Amino acid sequence: NAGVMQNPRHLVRRRGQEARLRCSPMKGHSHVYWYRQLPEEGLKFMVYLQKENIIDESGMPKERFSAEFPKEGPSILRIQQVVRGDSAAYFCASSPGQGASGYTFGSGTRLTVV
Amino acid sequence: DAKTTQPTSMDCAEGRAANLPCNHSTISGNEYVYWYRQIHSQGPQYIIHGLKNNETNEMASLIITEDRKSSTLILPHATLRDTAVYYCIVRPRDDKIIFGKGTRLHILP
Repeated sequence: NAGVMQNPRHLVRRRGQEARLRCSPMKGHSHVYWYRQLPEEGLKFMVYLQKENIIDESGMPKERFSAEFPKEGPSILRIQQVVRGDSAAYFCASSPGQGASGYTFGSGTRLTVV
Repeated sequence: DAKTTQPTSMDCAEGRAANLPCNHSTISGNEYVYWYRQIHSQGPQYIIHGLKNNETNEMASLIITEDRKSSTLILPHATLRDTAVYYCIVRPRDDKIIFGKGTRLHILP
């Protein structure tokens, strides 16, 4: 019973390039959440998705960031034209979406923009 | 906006019980109390949650006051591996989790 899988674990991009972060939820989980953690700061909610739907994107920056969770395949967090300030750890979590259960988090993707 | 107040940091001797307090005086009737922790550089880990009754699992115990305005997470026999940031969160079921600043727990050898 694999947990939440995120890849890559580490990603280095030059300024102006695109970053794609992938998240495969736990088996049976249909809800995915993305969080960002800047160095020495707390976890900030970004977006909540269900299959083929964005439920809550109140934490997403207005430009350059997008997220999807297609019917088949992993959830993708996409950052276009990365800047140094995008360097952070990006965590994905999943839940079955019903009941009071907690989330299960992945190990994160560390994005470094050089 | 985090709805909880936690001490910034705490120390606990290895082998002793670690008692982490949390105030949530504005908690609503449909909101649960959740605890997560984040060990350095790792993804947050779910510990326990409760609505109004005390709860216990293999990791910890959660004591919620009768008026539900505060709670305490108890790690019965703290080890060095319990050094982490502990987050107390209140939320309705099925809603997103908003993390506050948490309590940085140091387990002292």
